[in-house]
Amino acid sequence: DVKVTQSSRYLVKRTGEKVFLECVQDMDHENMFWYRQDPGLGLRLIYFSYDVKMKEKGDIPEGYSVSREKKERFSLILESASTNQTSMYLCASSLMGGTHYEQYFGPGTRLTVT
Amino acid sequence: AQKVTQAQTEISVVEKEDVTLDCVYETRDTTYYLFWYKQPPSGELVFLIRRNSFDEQNEISGRYSWNFQKSTSSFNFTITASQVVDSAVYFCALSPFLKLSFGAGTTVTVRA
Repeated sequence: DVKVTQSSRYLVKRTGEKVFLECVQDMDHENMFWYRQDPGLGLRLIYFSYDVKMKEKGDIPEGYSVSREKKERFSLILESASTNQTSMYLCASSLMGGTHYEQYFGPGTRLTVT
Repeated sequence: AQKVTQAQTEISVVEKEDVTLDCVYETRDTTYYLFWYKQPPSGELVFLIRRNSFDEQNEISGRYSWNFQKSTSSFNFTITASQVVDSAVYFCALSPFLKLSFGAGTTVTVRA
């Protein structure tokens, strides 16, 4: 069964802290993605990776960075958390080969920055 | 730039009623893919359907059906004889290449 897991379901951090969100997939997928979900805005792409050590900016990369050292793991890093980064963060993965492969999503991490 | 509009923010129906969710998209690409995802209260998005821009055939899967009309840039989703388990947020998404652009989502509440 397809599986994308995220390290935490809920996280509370303070302004200025460095925050790591971890995502692991067990499907040997080449592509991995990080989104944030906010009410009324749907999902917005932060970063994605199509191979180990490769990354591309999405639509809203400011304030975030990513790391992909192994194929199955994709980390999202908030260098200095701010209150406007309070959101639901969703990780996804898909096979390589263009857009015709659907993305599989993890359960999400609800991050609160105080 | 890609854009997906789901004009309906919330829809509430009584069980067994039909529900149609609207999705209108904008893209300059001639080749693209359209998707619908369901997000139940548990939070995990579930893939429902994918359609490429060259395939305008409507599709039916059980109580779910999709109507793709390229002429109006729409990809609407109908749930027939709705059930309480259909209560969720539904997202329409567009992808010309790798990156998905999502609509804002429509929250469907089915009351028993």
